[in-house]
Amino acid sequence: GQQLNQSPQSMFIQEGEDVSMNCTSSSIFNTWLWYKQDPGEGPVLLIALYKAGELTSNGRLTAQFGITRKDSFLNISASIPSDVGIYFCAGSNTGKLIFGQGTTLQVKP
Amino acid sequence: EAGVAQSPRYKIIEKRQSVAFWCNPISGHATLYWYQQILGQGPKLLIQFQNNGVVDDSQLPKDRFSAERLKGVDSTLKIQPAKLEDSAVYLCASSYGYTSGANVLTFGAGSRLTVL
Repeated sequence: GQQLNQSPQSMFIQEGEDVSMNCTSSSIFNTWLWYKQDPGEGPVLLIALYKAGELTSNGRLTAQFGITRKDSFLNISASIPSDVGIYFCAGSNTGKLIFGQGTTLQVKP
Repeated sequence: EAGVAQSPRYKIIEKRQSVAFWCNPISGHATLYWYQQILGQGPKLLIQFQNNGVVDDSQLPKDRFSAERLKGVDSTLKIQPAKLEDSAVYLCASSYGYTSGANVLTFGAGSRLTVL
């Protein structure tokens, strides 16, 4: 079946640093989504991407839909303590969302 | 707008017992999903409904799991009998539709199941 590989698996950074994480797939997707999950809560949508090459920002977050349609990355600039959580990429073709295994981000004040 | 409501938030049962989870999606959302999230992993789709019809249940263990969305609004996911490996968070999500652009999912807070 389709699988998404997210990297890195975890990151421990200093407050104020920039963060970059990515997601790759062996299959093509026509939608890429990035979600954040806090402990005890469901995932919350951060950014949605619908076109190959698309670069979209949401505050300090920037995500890109890879040209090959098989990858996407998420950047967080100037991290703050509330950025702590698990970040998931998800790809979709027909509405069924396939999730990566997540990147756990910890921010040291 | 109100979010996706799920209950119960937590449930502890013994193996071979049964359990049911309830979900009320965002008003107007035609598509409803149940995902299973095992600790340390990403969510995995169990079943997807469009109104009251099943779109995809290919990963639902049908010998023990069942789900229904009788009136095209709220939904129930049942496990009977439960196994130890069913311990997970069961996430319900909804979206306007499932074509590109309409398939942005909004998730509920989840129901955490522990099977002893």
